[in-house]
Order: sequence, then C-alpha cells, then structure tokens
Amino acid sequence: KAGVTQTPRYLIKTRGQQVTLSCSPISGHRSVSWYQQTPGQGLQFLFEYFSETQRNKGNFPGRFSGRQFSNSRSEMNVSTLELGDSALYLCASSWRQGDGYTFGSGTRLTVV
Amino acid sequence: DQQVKQNSPSLSVQEGRISILNCDYTNSMFDYFLWYKKYPAEGPTFLISISSIKDKNEDGRFTVFLNKSAKHLSLHIVPSQPGDSAVYFCAALSTGSNYKLTFGKGTLLTVNP
Repeated sequence: KAGVTQTPRYLIKTRGQQVTLSCSPISGHRSVSWYQQTPGQGLQFLFEYFSETQRNKGNFPGRFSGRQFSNSRSEMNVSTLELGDSALYLCASSWRQGDGYTFGSGTRLTVV
Repeated sequence: DQQVKQNSPSLSVQEGRISILNCDYTNSMFDYFLWYKKYPAEGPTFLISISSIKDKNEDGRFTVFLNKSAKHLSLHIVPSQPGDSAVYFCAALSTGSNYKLTFGKGTLLTVNP
C-alpha cells in the first residue's frame, strides 16, 4: 500500500513569492493534517482537513492556507513568503480523526 | 505555552541497555498520547500510543507508561539497538475536541554499539 506522498521534496523560493505544496494521502484516508517543523519550534500544527472541510487550524498567519479535494488530496499554500517560513512541511493522513496518523517524508522549503 | 514538553534534548545509551524517554504535559484535556520516531529527511514514523484510560501499553521492545496524576509519560526501549538512534517525539491530542496533534520538541536518542 502506498504511503503518504508529498511533492516536491525540496523547494527554494525567494522572499515575497508564493508556494503550493501537495500531499496525496494513503488511499481511503479522509483526514489530512499539515505540520511545520523548524529546529527552534519543533512540529507545529497548521491545519487539518476532513472530507474537504477544514476542521482545525493552528496559530499561523493567514498567509498559510490549504484545501482538500474530493479525492482527499490536499494542498497548502503560503503567500508572500518570509525567511522564517523556511522549514520542513509535513503532511499526515489517517482514516479517521485522532487515530493512526501516517506522515509523509515532507517538503523542505528554503526561502532566500 | 508549551503543552507537551520533552525536557531532555538528547540521550545516549549503550546497545543492549534500556532507553527511557520522558514527556510531560500540562493540558488535562489530552486523552490520547503517541510516540513518533524520526530520521533526518524523513517524516515521523508512528511507534506506539496509549489512551488515557490505560497506564501501560507494550509492543515488542517498546513500552509506554502513562502517569495521569503526574501528567507524565515515558517510552521504554529494551533492549536498545543502534538502529533506534533517531529523534523521538511525544505527541498528545484531545479526542473530544479538535484532534490536532500537539508535539514535544523531541529527544535525540543515540545508541552506541
């Protein structure tokens, strides 16, 4: 069974640009969550989608947004990139909320 | 406000010995706890979990203990192997509310041969 797939694996952007990251969950999983990992802050929750609806949102500015499609694939978008947005962005999926989260390998975003 | 704390940034253990990783939490609404293992350049891998209605859960070499009154949980790895060397994250969630995972900052475990 294929795992959680995140694309691209690596990305370099300049300040002020916007970026879209993609996550394909495990087949049958309807919950997709996004996390940001930085050395200083650890793993921080961004948002969670379930059946195309955003159920929860973390404490991130409005520049961070996301969506989920009918096939459960999810995208997250960051607009007006800042240097501090450089991080590993991780996507996790589960078949139901609160159980068995499986993480992808992440997208390493570097903002220069 | 850090609701899940892993106070030891690193831990070094000899192969074959026990590794004990600790985690404290402050939010009494948390009722489900998970441990993840992470290698560099990879996503976290789920290891073991425990519900707040239990005080112990065991899976092979991994055992998690939960002390609700102390708001403390620990992960025991016995025996430790060099392949266990990784960053271990403790995570918690409240199944009755928003289901978001709140992570600690991780402990780097090094198992020396």
